[in-house]
Amino acid sequence: GAGVSQSPSNKVTEKGKDVELRCDPISGHTALYWYRQSLGQGLEFLIYFQGNSAPDKSGLPSDRFSAERTGGSVSTLTIQRTQQEDSAVYLCASSSDSEIQETQYFGPGTRLLVL
Amino acid sequence: RKEVEQDPGPFNVPEGATVAFNCTYSNSASQSFFWYRQDCRKEPKLLMSVYSSGNEDGRFTAQLNRASQYISLLIRDSKLSDSATYLCVVNHGNYGGSQGNLIFGKGTKLSVKP
Repeated sequence: GAGVSQSPSNKVTEKGKDVELRCDPISGHTALYWYRQSLGQGLEFLIYFQGNSAPDKSGLPSDRFSAERTGGSVSTLTIQRTQQEDSAVYLCASSSDSEIQETQYFGPGTRLLVL
Repeated sequence: RKEVEQDPGPFNVPEGATVAFNCTYSNSASQSFFWYRQDCRKEPKLLMSVYSSGNEDGRFTAQLNRASQYISLLIRDSKLSDSATYLCVVNHGNYGGSQGNLIFGKGTKLSVKP
């Protein structure tokens, strides 16, 4: 079946512009996660959605970052007034249950470059 | 102290070698542990979960020592296709509960040479 998809695959933007990154999780997966990975660094947790519960936003690095998940499926990560340090690969993952022991399936990521 | 620490490597080994990766974690309340594999410019993929009793999957053996807060991954008879970055992953979820926050180590890079 279809895996997690993300769009765009690559995004180049100018400092100060807003960007929107999209994630389509695996159908039926109730949990959705956003991470980012800077060059040579580990994955940094950003935000977690589980069903209709309030999202866990504890990883968002600043108020320029926000995310929403509509209809319990597609999610959009928005970065306002982008900065050069926002350049990274933004990865989305989904899993089938609230129990974290369930495998997280990652999308291919969006490579963001802020000039 | 970082939450999940790994030797960054790289580990350069010949085909057929046995290689061991180590990982330590700082939160004693951590409940779930995993090894993920990430190929160059690709997304991470689950390699195996790590259970208290230790577990084996073919050439791969994972072990957990809760007292020492230490996780290991052993790869026997390494193949060229094992070349990747291996990520140690820990869940800080409360016992019996669920929490979305997986903590990833920075990974150990493995390069298997012919």
